[in-house]
Amino acid sequence: DAMVIQNPRYQVTQFGKPVTLSCSQTLNHNVMYWYQQKSSQAPKLLFHYYDKDFNNEADTPDNFQSRRPNTSFCFLDIRSPGLGDAAMYLCATSVRHQETQYFGPGTRLLVL
Amino acid sequence: GEDVEQSLFLSVREGDSSVINCTYTDSSSTYLYWYKQEPGAGLQLLTYIFSNMDMKQDQRLTVLLNKKDKHLSLRIADTQTGDSAIYFCADLTSGTYKYIFGTGTRLKVLA
Repeated sequence: DAMVIQNPRYQVTQFGKPVTLSCSQTLNHNVMYWYQQKSSQAPKLLFHYYDKDFNNEADTPDNFQSRRPNTSFCFLDIRSPGLGDAAMYLCATSVRHQETQYFGPGTRLLVL
Repeated sequence: GEDVEQSLFLSVREGDSSVINCTYTDSSSTYLYWYKQEPGAGLQLLTYIFSNMDMKQDQRLTVLLNKKDKHLSLRIADTQTGDSAIYFCADLTSGTYKYIFGTGTRLKVLA
């Protein structure tokens, strides 16, 4: 089935040690989004790609970067994770802007 | 900025109907969505309604939209224990890519 896939589902890293989360999609959607969701809160948009065009939200910390090497894959890099970066990270896709977003299962990040 | 609000908790008995409410401030909504999130999982799209519609029904789900009052509701008929989850409403404004999420309503279904 066409879907949004996130790996790994759980990731443990150490304080300050770079970590990469990955997302892939078989929907052939143009737009890919990364969200951060902390416990009992709504997801917060970090950034998104429309094709190769990167769009950063104004309040996304510099510690968070992203790469989209092709249509199917998008990566979230956290350069120096702090304890406050422990959260669920959700990837989503949409055909284009102003369209329904489809979410992956998420990666739960734990920072020790 | 625009805002979307939901009540935090709802508890119902199995077999009853659940009604989850959402209010929003945006006057330029195009679509309004309902997503379900089970513990440790991503957001599952349940249904959505276009802003020029008043009602949409999909099996056990009924969405009602009152544009005048900027009120959206999701009714789940014959609620089951598997419906226990957090439900988010989300507003997509005309001319933007960005969802505005509500705070989420935690639905607990009692057997």
